[in-house]
Amino acid sequence: GAVVSQHPSRVICKSGTSVKIECRSLDFQATTMFWYRQFPKQSLMLMATSNEGSKATYEQGVEKDKFLINHASLTLSTLTVTSAHPEDSSFYICSARPPNRFAGLNAYEQYFGPGTRLTVT
Amino acid sequence: AQSVTQLDSQVPVFEEAPVELRCNYSSSVSVYLFWYVQYPNQGLQLLLKYLSGSTLVESINGFEAEFNKSQTSFHLRKPSVHISDTAEYFCAVSGGNTGFQKLVFGTGTRLLVSP
Repeated sequence: GAVVSQHPSRVICKSGTSVKIECRSLDFQATTMFWYRQFPKQSLMLMATSNEGSKATYEQGVEKDKFLINHASLTLSTLTVTSAHPEDSSFYICSARPPNRFAGLNAYEQYFGPGTRLTVT
Repeated sequence: AQSVTQLDSQVPVFEEAPVELRCNYSSSVSVYLFWYVQYPNQGLQLLLKYLSGSTLVESINGFEAEFNKSQTSFHLRKPSVHISDTAEYFCAVSGGNTGFQKLVFGTGTRLLVSP
């Protein structure tokens, strides 16, 4: 259990275009999902926390108008990078957290997706 | 704010040798501690976790970590490494003044196992 998928795994887009990344919890309901960004050879930096049915909470320094997050259902969150530029090229990873006492999963753990490599040319 | 320190950015080791990857965190109050492993171009996989109870936790592939509250440490160890253990290892913590919802990650340690 506790599988999280991301789509696409890799995407190349031209500067100025927008790209959407999907994060799905496949076998559990995720009331909270997180979006991280990872630069090469660096750690994960939390970009935002999204709760189903409400607006995402962005970390300091993250442009909410550039990185649009939608958590429309208990199993799907999307990150849209708007007007992408080469400096947005990065590895984007999502994670999902189940609600308390859900099917034996631990509500204090985050279950990570496989990541999406975004390259903006 | 909560912080996690992984002092070693890279640890080279020979196959079958023991290894310790160090992790220290800043909070002195109740925390949950995690070690994640990341293989190239992949997401994170949970290696092991400390939530409560026994301070020594083990993974299914031979890794172990010990929660030391007095030293605010959660070092990861393995008595004999394999080539396949080559990966990036991240220590993470939740709790303290950051709260239990968010994870704070260390900068990672690259374990390089050579024959």
